[in-house]
Amino acid sequence: QVQLQESGPGLVKPSETLSLTCTVSGYSISSTYYWGWIRQPPGKGLEWIGSMYQSGTTFYNPSLSSRVTISLDTSNNQFSLNLRSVTAADTAVYYCARDRGVRGEFDYWGQGILVAVSS
Amino acid sequence: QSALTQPPSASGSPGQSVTISCTGTSSDVGAYTYVSWYQHHPGKAPKLMIYEVSKRPSGVPDRFSGSKSGNTASLTVSGLQTEDEADYYCASFAGTKRGVFGGGTKLTVL
Repeated sequence: QVQLQESGPGLVKPSETLSLTCTVSGYSISSTYYWGWIRQPPGKGLEWIGSMYQSGTTFYNPSLSSRVTISLDTSNNQFSLNLRSVTAADTAVYYCARDRGVRGEFDYWGQGILVAVSS
Repeated sequence: QSALTQPPSASGSPGQSVTISCTGTSSDVGAYTYVSWYQHHPGKAPKLMIYEVSKRPSGVPDRFSGSKSGNTASLTVSGLQTEDEADYYCASFAGTKRGVFGGGTKLTVL
């Protein structure tokens, strides 16, 4: 059974970098599929952040691309999200998920982690 | 403002059917056969219920079905059960924007 678990700080200061890690079990991230991040601000809908393939191919949401980096750590079967220069608008529940092809189809998700941006 | 428009709420009694709509544009829902639906119980991981408009992943009951007409996709839940009460989100491929989501619909089983 494929399982994903997000980890990282629950509080980040404005202008700093939000860094999260997703640990995957039950499937090798070096195999087929993309690996992605999605977020949900309080009281709002879901927003795709970006996805990465094991080859290094990466796709980012155009609205966030200037601040986002996703990377894979195949030795630990983890992938990470870095979101730079955060503001209060980046406060959200962040989910990691297995992406079937960067077209809005995510077949396995983590439970999510709430990250607040506040001084 | 979400890219895809969903009604904020829907409801039905046990055993009834309910349909949730997801309206996009000719650049996303109307252009591709990549519409997916997710069930989300708060505090849990979202679950893929429908992909490629009408396909069900293994393990999803056939009470859940998806369809599309023009720029609007729909999720129908037949034979409503209490455990179907959850938030439902649609998503679509949107070309260069890749994946876009709807704002979500809270389904209440009365």
